[in-house]
Amino acid sequence: SQQGEEDPQALSIQEGENATMNCSYKTSINNLQWYRQNSGRGLVHLILIRSNEREKHSGRLRVTLDTSKKSSSLLITASRAADTASYFCATNSGGSNYKLTFGKGTLLTVNP
Amino acid sequence: DVKVTQSSRYLVKRTGEKVFLECVQDMDHENMFWYRQDPGLGLRLIYFSYDVKMKEKGDIPEGYSVSREKKERFSLILESASTNQTSMYLCASTPSGRADYGYTFGSGTRLTVV
Repeated sequence: SQQGEEDPQALSIQEGENATMNCSYKTSINNLQWYRQNSGRGLVHLILIRSNEREKHSGRLRVTLDTSKKSSSLLITASRAADTASYFCATNSGGSNYKLTFGKGTLLTVNP
Repeated sequence: DVKVTQSSRYLVKRTGEKVFLECVQDMDHENMFWYRQDPGLGLRLIYFSYDVKMKEKGDIPEGYSVSREKKERFSLILESASTNQTSMYLCASTPSGRADYGYTFGSGTRLTVV
């Protein structure tokens, strides 16, 4: 079952602009994570935000989490052509396992 | 550099064949996962394992089985491959007891069943 749903499905911007992707989920979570996937490759972990956190930064990445709205956003500032990839949110619902449930992803294209 | 290695990048198999997809990690992680990724459907969990010889079904286990005889290796088995199992298969691992640790993924195996 899909927990996270990203919005938009696709986003095209110019180099130097900011890119914002959103994720909504349905059930309570322990943490929410964002991953990047370059075409035809495996996913790379970008950032994790816990359910008791509201905002987190890592380099040009900023993630926010609103548990009351069951939503998260990923902001990439000053985008580069190399940021072109698919971005996925994934949720962990806690408990004794480490399962992640992934959304369907946002395809980001950064035009030079 | 720590990593998850999937034995094949591309694989072509015939309908009815028994197919083994291998995944090895060198990070001493307890938890390992197999996902399949299809256009429009995202990543769906097939099976996971939280310890040697332990396994649990994910969301779409039908037609698959797994084996975890050693901590570093997690194998996905397609008992009798069918064309609807044509997909990208992704293996991942994560340690236990590390709440801030994400998954480390392999590069994926693109399987085509003809």
